[in-house]
Amino acid sequence: DARVTQTPRHKVTEMGQEVTMRCQPILGHNTVFWYRQTMMQGLELLAYFRNRAPLDDSGMPKDRFSAEMPDATLATLKIQPSEPRDSAVYFCASGRTGASTDTQYFGPGTRLTVL
Amino acid sequence: GQQVMQIPQYQHVQEGEDFTTYCNSSTTLSNIQWYKQRPGGHPVFLIQLVKSGEVKKQKRLTFQFGEAKKNSSLHITATQTTDVGTYFCAPTQGAQKLVFGQGTRLTINP
Repeated sequence: DARVTQTPRHKVTEMGQEVTMRCQPILGHNTVFWYRQTMMQGLELLAYFRNRAPLDDSGMPKDRFSAEMPDATLATLKIQPSEPRDSAVYFCASGRTGASTDTQYFGPGTRLTVL
Repeated sequence: GQQVMQIPQYQHVQEGEDFTTYCNSSTTLSNIQWYKQRPGGHPVFLIQLVKSGEVKKQKRLTFQFGEAKKNSSLHITATQTTDVGTYFCAPTQGAQKLVFGQGTRLTINP
């Protein structure tokens, strides 16, 4: 049963620290998405990749956030420096490009708390 | 960017009652997906609607896409406690990019 995996599942850190979240997409999927979920803002798209190339990161604060795909099996989302307002659940999702919009398979998320 | 309004934000029902959530857009949508997120869980894909006026059923769940492709609905018949969660509609914006509604949180009194 193929699944998207994310690490860590939980992260508590202090303001100013660097945070790195990792995602392993489902094997064979060529699109990867990063979402942030908060009570106030709901589910927001931060960035997405197709075939490892960034297609859209307009939802991401550029000054502190960065997203990369070093290879097809790993996507990373970094926050440096972290701030309390970054506290949220960060989801990674993967999919496969098709003739129409394909299903997105979400990982379990990383719950980030910045003190 | 494309945005949708989902109503209601919250719905509390007695087990066995029906439930409906609506997703409305001011612009024509090419297609729309529905996801369910259980408390503490992650969004899980339910269905995709593509055609004008399309109706799809999954057991007690009925999904509709409006004739004008500007709105969609999810109806659950005779809710069960396993239906608890937040239901999101997500139209596409460009290839692959989904824009999630705010969701409707469903709670059920057993």
